[in-house]
Parts: sequence; structure tokens; C-alpha cells
Amino acid sequence: SQKIEQNSEALNIQEGKTATLTCNYTNYSPAYLQWYRQDPGRGPVFLLLIRENEKEKRKERLKVTFDTTLKQSLFHITASQPADSATYLCALDISGGYNKLIFGAGTRLAVHP
Amino acid sequence: GAGVSQSPSNKVTEKGKDVELRCDPISGHTALYWYRQSLGQGLEFLIYFQGNSAPDKSGLPSDRFSAERTGGSVSTLTIQRTQQEDSAVYLCASSLSAGDLEQYFGPGTRLTVT
Repeated sequence: SQKIEQNSEALNIQEGKTATLTCNYTNYSPAYLQWYRQDPGRGPVFLLLIRENEKEKRKERLKVTFDTTLKQSLFHITASQPADSATYLCALDISGGYNKLIFGAGTRLAVHP
Repeated sequence: GAGVSQSPSNKVTEKGKDVELRCDPISGHTALYWYRQSLGQGLEFLIYFQGNSAPDKSGLPSDRFSAERTGGSVSTLTIQRTQQEDSAVYLCASSLSAGDLEQYFGPGTRLTVT
């Protein structure tokens, strides 16, 4: 069955540094991968999508890479701020057409002033 | 504009009772998804609607779970004879269409079965 793994331990970094979160998956070849942000008590919020033929995607301070050979995506937040503190989820489409997503358990990021 | 709304926000019920959870998607969104999030776990897909039909119910954990969608809008997730293992946050998401890859999530309903 499909499996997605994210760093289970919280990531603590200093404000201004770059945060790097990892998402690894097995037993699937997704056409795209998505990253979401989730704050406590709230639903996830879509951040970025990267397709299998894209190596890298950027949006403001966010950067995502996608290595289909390693079956890994890296999510970077540059010049991190305390407001970036949240849980970040990666998700894969396993439907091949109607965006049925499976999610990793998420990595909690804490940015300290 | 209005986002996805869910009600109730919290529900505490006794084991064996039935519960109904409601989702109001963004107006005009034809695709609707239900997920379940248990503590420390990733979101677990339950069911997908396109319009009023549910082409994929494969994530429903048991026949105690059912869902419907009327008028291509509001959806209700029903859990019959609730069990303690049903305790979780139930999240609903919608998107403009199934091909629109960004899903908009509601705040979720936290269900506690005592």
C-alpha cells in the first residue's frame, strides 16, 4: 500500500534561518505532490503543488523540490518567521484523476525569535 | 468570501449513538471530500463526491459510516452506533472540480465518543 513519511519530530529553528522539511513516499508514482499548512484547530491550507516533471517550484519564501527517483520532496521556508510555526503536511494524489489525496502525518515546525 | 463550513465544531456522544456531521462547501464547488484525522495521524480519505454522486467510497471504515450530498452542495456524514475508535476530527474539503487540484478545507468537527 502507499505510504508517506514525514519527520515525526518537531523541527525547532531560529528566526531568519531556513527550515527544511522532508517527505518520503513508497509504492507509488504520483503525477504531483502537494504541501499544506495546518494550524491547531484549523483545517489544512494549500500552499504549493509540484508535478512529476518539475524539479523545483517557488512561491515567495517557499521552495519545493521533487525527486521522483528518490521518491522524496523537500519543502523549504527561507528567512523563517515565528508566524511560520505550524504543522506542514505533504500529500499525494492516488486516484490518478480526481485528486484523492493521502497525507503524511505532518511535521511540526517551531520558529523561535 | 465564505469558505467551507462544518457543523457542529465539537460533538460529544455516548457509545452506540448515531451522529450526523454537516459540511457546507464553497458555492459552486462540485467536488467534495471527507477526511478523518486521528491524533498524531495524517488525514485519512473517507469519501469523494462529484456533484451528488459518490464515485469513491473506498475510505469509509465500515458500514456504520455513510454520507450523502444533496443539490450538489451540502453533505452529511453519518456514523451509526458510534464506537470509541470513531473519535477523531472529521474534515471536509471542496474544490471547483475534481480536476482542480487545490482543496479548500473546513475547520473540522471534533467528535468524541465516550
